[in-house]
Amino acid sequence: QQQVKQSPQSLIVQKGGISIINCAYENTAFDYFPWYQQFPGKGPALLIAIRPDVSEKKEGRFTISFNKSAKQFSLHIMDSQPGDSATYFCAATLYQLIWGAGTKLIIKP
Amino acid sequence: DTEVTQTPKHLVMGMTNKKSLKCEQHMGHRAMYWYKQKAKKPPELMFVYSYEKLSINESVPSRFSPECPNSSLLNLHLHALQPEDSALYLCASSQDRTGQHHFGNGTRLTVT
Repeated sequence: QQQVKQSPQSLIVQKGGISIINCAYENTAFDYFPWYQQFPGKGPALLIAIRPDVSEKKEGRFTISFNKSAKQFSLHIMDSQPGDSATYFCAATLYQLIWGAGTKLIIKP
Repeated sequence: DTEVTQTPKHLVMGMTNKKSLKCEQHMGHRAMYWYKQKAKKPPELMFVYSYEKLSINESVPSRFSPECPNSSLLNLHLHALQPEDSALYLCASSQDRTGQHHFGNGTRLTVT
């Protein structure tokens, strides 16, 4: 019940394409769903986050889509750039962060 | 640059050494965290301090000892570590227990 399942484990996208990472959860008590971006040798940085009463949130090229009934949420990166190459973690919070397993994204020039 | 500062950036220690990791934030956050991250894995929560009091200890071995001297500082004291403790140790802070986490860039620890 406390798990967040993330897929795919790794993803290769051409420059300019759309990167999509999916997450699913079971616990309907989760109240905040952040996405973190982590570059090698750095700590995770909050990228974008959503609360379950909203179905979509967009910040620049990054969009979270949230499907409360399906208990799924996804990150879309539009016009993906080589600088977006990083590991992305979805998470869900109740009293602490429950992390997905991570997706290593590589954007090919 | 992050708003959470961790020192040192890298640390190599033997199994009999005693060392400390330090974390500092000046955002007025009242919750601070230690996480351990192994390669290709998400961070694992170790300890949570809320208003300078230890509120969560995720069954971490006693060779790791946290300390929160004041609301801006968080230490992790290390003693008699094992090679499997080699990892990236991340500090984070948030306004309160439910707020957004701000992470430091971590200390890369190698135990020989």
